[in-house]
Amino acid sequence: EPEVTQTPSHQVTQMGQEVILRCVPISNHLYFYWYRQILGQKVEFLVSFYNNEISEKSEIFDDQFSVERPDGSNFTLKIRSTKLEDSAMYFCASSGPLQGAGNTIYFGEGSWLTVV
Amino acid sequence: GQNIDQPTEMTATEGAIVQINCTYQTSGFNGLFWYQQHAGEAPTFLSYNVLDGLEEKGRFSSFLSRSKGYSYLLLKELQMKDSASYLCARTTDSWGKLQFGAGTQVVVTP
Repeated sequence: EPEVTQTPSHQVTQMGQEVILRCVPISNHLYFYWYRQILGQKVEFLVSFYNNEISEKSEIFDDQFSVERPDGSNFTLKIRSTKLEDSAMYFCASSGPLQGAGNTIYFGEGSWLTVV
Repeated sequence: GQNIDQPTEMTATEGAIVQINCTYQTSGFNGLFWYQQHAGEAPTFLSYNVLDGLEEKGRFSSFLSRSKGYSYLLLKELQMKDSASYLCARTTDSWGKLQFGAGTQVVVTP
């Protein structure tokens, strides 16, 4: 079964450093997402991306965050100047090729980020 | 807001049936997803409902009432491996922008 893959699975970074989390969505999908889950809390939407631009973003997704599709297969989340409260599991997800009902949203295994 | 409410925890014995209820705000509603999440792992898709009624997939079924803002996930013939958190998530016209509940931890006992 096709799957969304993410790297790294774990990353420890010092406060103030920049982090890039990488994702390879399912190959025929056109809609990409990042979510995060702080330990013990709900899964939260960060951003959706389609046709090489952000479709929607949450209030969490401020100027500290950016996303990019640098080539035909990768989708990245960059977190600049990391803070302690950025420590969370970050999930990449994808759906498509169409939008709307009938298109399951599949999640990757997650990248666990610890900011120290 | 878009509060999504589901019970915190449910316990059931192996072989039994468990029903996890979820209520949500109806304004802007488009569809309702159910995911399974084992601790430290990704949410795994179980089902989604857009129209009223019951969707059956093997041991798992999901029901939706759009007018009541209500859904449930039914797990039959429980197995030990079904011990996990079950997440209810609604979506709106922004299909991929899922709004998750806090999850229901299901504990299956021998």
